[in-house]
Amino acid sequence: EVQLLESGGGLVQPGGSLRLSCAASGFTFTRYAMSWVRQAPGEGLEWVSCISDTDIDTYYTGSVRGRFTISRDTSKNTLYLQMNSLRAEDTAIYYCARVMPHYWYFDLWGRGTLVTVSS
Amino acid sequence: EIVLTQFPATLSLSPGERATLSCRASQSVTSYLAWYQQKPGQAPRLLIYDASNRATGIPARFSGSGSGTDFSLTISSLEPEDFAVYYCQHRYNWPLTFGGGTKVEIK
Repeated sequence: EVQLLESGGGLVQPGGSLRLSCAASGFTFTRYAMSWVRQAPGEGLEWVSCISDTDIDTYYTGSVRGRFTISRDTSKNTLYLQMNSLRAEDTAIYYCARVMPHYWYFDLWGRGTLVTVSS
Repeated sequence: EIVLTQFPATLSLSPGERATLSCRASQSVTSYLAWYQQKPGQAPRLLIYDASNRATGIPARFSGSGSGTDFSLTISSLEPEDFAVYYCQHRYNWPLTFGGGTKVEIK
């Protein structure tokens, strides 16, 4: 079955760190760029970061650049998001998403993992 | 950063009616715009890409149009499962951005 499964969310204090994981299955992971998209409680979608299929290029939205790092381990078919210096406004459901080849749209999504930044 | 404005914020319609949702970009995105559907407690689903192309498995009642700064998503005849929130997203440049969403609710 083609799917993405996120893990690693939880409660963290402001200024803390967290690493999210996304396990991919059912497709050739190395052929796709991947992304993280988040959604604050009751709010809309916000793109966070992308990594190209070759891992050469990474992209970030301005509010997380310098604090978050996207990466992947192709031997484990897993995408990561290392989040440092977390802020209350980073509280959200974080979705892992597959990027449609040749287009920067998202054609497969995980169910999400909730990150809560609070003291 | 390109800002996408969706309107109306809420659309109240009955099953069988036609729904037209709009998305306006703060600058031209040519045809580089997608639409997603999100139901409560679920992840989004890609409906339309590059303004007018239906994604795999999307019913023909969903159609997209537009170019430049003005786009629309039309649902020709609402089915009960179509009541949800819809988002647009551009891929014209970085950062990618989403619109604020339109909720299609049952009247």
